[in-house]
Amino acid sequence: EAGVTQSPTHLIKTRGQQATLRCSPISGHTSVYWYQQALGLGLQFLLWYDEGEERNRGNFPPRFSGRQFPNYSSELNVNALELEDSALYLCASSFRGGVYNEQFFGPGTRLTVL
Amino acid sequence: KQEVTQIPAALSVPEGENLVLNCSFTDSAIYNLQWFRQDPGKGLTSLLLIQSSQREQTSGRLNASLDKSSGRSTLYIAASQPGDSATYLCAELSGGGSEKLVFGKGTKLTVNP
Repeated sequence: EAGVTQSPTHLIKTRGQQATLRCSPISGHTSVYWYQQALGLGLQFLLWYDEGEERNRGNFPPRFSGRQFPNYSSELNVNALELEDSALYLCASSFRGGVYNEQFFGPGTRLTVL
Repeated sequence: KQEVTQIPAALSVPEGENLVLNCSFTDSAIYNLQWFRQDPGKGLTSLLLIQSSQREQTSGRLNASLDKSSGRSTLYIAASQPGDSATYLCAELSGGGSEKLVFGKGTKLTVNP
């Protein structure tokens, strides 16, 4: 069974540009989560999508947005990039009908803002 | 506010030692707690998940315990190997329906041959 996949692996942008990150969940999973891991700050929850709807949002500015498609894949968009947006962005998926609500993580996208 | 703390931040041990990593959390309505492994620059590998109704889980050389009353979890690694070198993260999921994992900052483990 294929795990969570993310693309691209690395992304280099300049300040003020927009970045788009993509995530494909494990087959059968309907929930997708986005987390940011910036140096020194640890892993922070960004967004949760389930059945195409945004269900919860972390303490991030509106520049961070996303969507979930009918096939449950997801996109994270970061507008007006700032230097401090440089981080590893991790996507996770889960099957909310399961007992444990366990989240499974992808390999991440490394975003560098110059 | 949910907070997760991991002590120590770094740990270096000789190969073959048994070791314990600590995780404490403030959420009294915890739903489950997950332990992850992260290699440098990589994603997270789930090691063990403990439901709030459980006391411990075991997988191979790993054993994780959960004590809700004290707000603590431990990850026990038996007979450590150099391949165990990585950062270990614990994360709690609240029962409030937010579905967000709250992570500790991790313990960086180095196992020396």
